[in-house]
Amino acid sequence: ETGVTQTPRHLVMGMTNKKSLKCEQHLGHNAMYWYKQSAKKPLELMFVYNFKEQTENNSVPSRFSPECPNSSHLFLHLHTLQPEDSALYLCASSQDPGTGPNEQFFGPGTRLTVL
Amino acid sequence: GQNIDQPTEMTATEGAIVQINCTYQTSGFNGLFWYQQHAGEAPTFLSYNVLDGLEEKGRFSSFLSRSKGYSYLLLKELQMKDSASYLCAVRDGNYQLIWGAGTKLIIKP
Repeated sequence: ETGVTQTPRHLVMGMTNKKSLKCEQHLGHNAMYWYKQSAKKPLELMFVYNFKEQTENNSVPSRFSPECPNSSHLFLHLHTLQPEDSALYLCASSQDPGTGPNEQFFGPGTRLTVL
Repeated sequence: GQNIDQPTEMTATEGAIVQINCTYQTSGFNGLFWYQQHAGEAPTFLSYNVLDGLEEKGRFSSFLSRSKGYSYLLLKELQMKDSASYLCAVRDGNYQLIWGAGTKLIIKP
């Protein structure tokens, strides 16, 4: 595997379900990100981890719970979601975001539908 | 507040040139990025500007004017595969990326 991978690619869940999204990066980066992408809206940054430490939580509802066990893996645990949470969830990674371009590399995303 | 503005949609003809503009107001500036995103796929990095001027990379060029809070992405010799959304993003003073909503570019034969 190369780059950034995400599983599952598609997920349909009810509002009472609990599920988890998984992201893995094979690039040796130390920062990982979760984004929400809704149609015709800017990418919304949800969480940032740098060297496994959460450095950003952009007022995300508690029904979204991130976990970063190491610099290569990132999870997003979902529970009691709402239909408006239906979106594409993108994971990204980069080198230390503070120096140089250090562009973000994105995974293919998980298309989430909440019924 | 912080804001990135870019046109919602543009149409151009195969073989032509198109310029996609991006204006921004952010708290601090540490670089501007352009990404390409094909429908149903991940965004992929195109260019990075941190100093004023033009950066050229093959058929794609990106320009930045920090004093005007303005950038553009120039695509030359358009090909059908260039049909995609183009996302402008600014790294703010806290080194976080602020994203525009993207410009959907439609290429017609």
